[in-house]
Amino acid sequence: NAGVTQTPKFQVLKTGQSMTLQCAQDMNHEYMSWYRQDPGMGLRLIHYSVGAGITDQGEVPNGYNVSRSTTEDFPLRLLSAAPSQTSVYFCASSPYFYLDQPQHFGDGTRLSIL
Amino acid sequence: GESVGLHLPTLSVQEGDNSIINCAYSNSASDYFIWYKQESGKGPQFIIDIRSNMDKRQGQRVTVLLNKTVKHLSLQIAATQPGDSAVYFCAERKESEKLVFGKGTKLTVNP
Repeated sequence: NAGVTQTPKFQVLKTGQSMTLQCAQDMNHEYMSWYRQDPGMGLRLIHYSVGAGITDQGEVPNGYNVSRSTTEDFPLRLLSAAPSQTSVYFCASSPYFYLDQPQHFGDGTRLSIL
Repeated sequence: GESVGLHLPTLSVQEGDNSIINCAYSNSASDYFIWYKQESGKGPQFIIDIRSNMDKRQGQRVTVLLNKTVKHLSLQIAATQPGDSAVYFCAERKESEKLVFGKGTKLTVNP
């Protein structure tokens, strides 16, 4: 059981470049989310999805896009990378948004923007 | 705005001792709480959760205590081992809303 898989694990971009961070889960979870983790800031929610075809903004959505065409996949797109987006990005999933259940996290993508 | 916080950013204990990691929350309407463990280079890993209708819950070597009167959450780790060294986060959730995470406490276990 792979759980939540994130790729790539590391990435270096130049300012202005675009890229997609991949997230896939094999647990048939309806709820998926993206967080960024910066020193001293904790985990901050970027975007989330309560099911296929449904996405919504979190606390820090600017500069990021998401889509959810399947239950399994929830990619995060950076349209024009900025140094302020240097961070560690985590994808998480749980069975249903409206139930009290813990989220399962991937191991993260470490992104540096030069 | 309301947020989840921690009393201490770091905690150092001796192997075999019990550890207590604290968390203060400010949203009195929160009704679900989770503790996560994050090892270096890894994603957060679920440890234990508790709902607001409980004041204590036990797992394997871990106990979570919830004091709603003073809005305080704690994680107790019995017989702390070197493998317990990590950053520990608490998170809170108000019904049908999103999880809010604290900043974390770094636990170091000395041999």
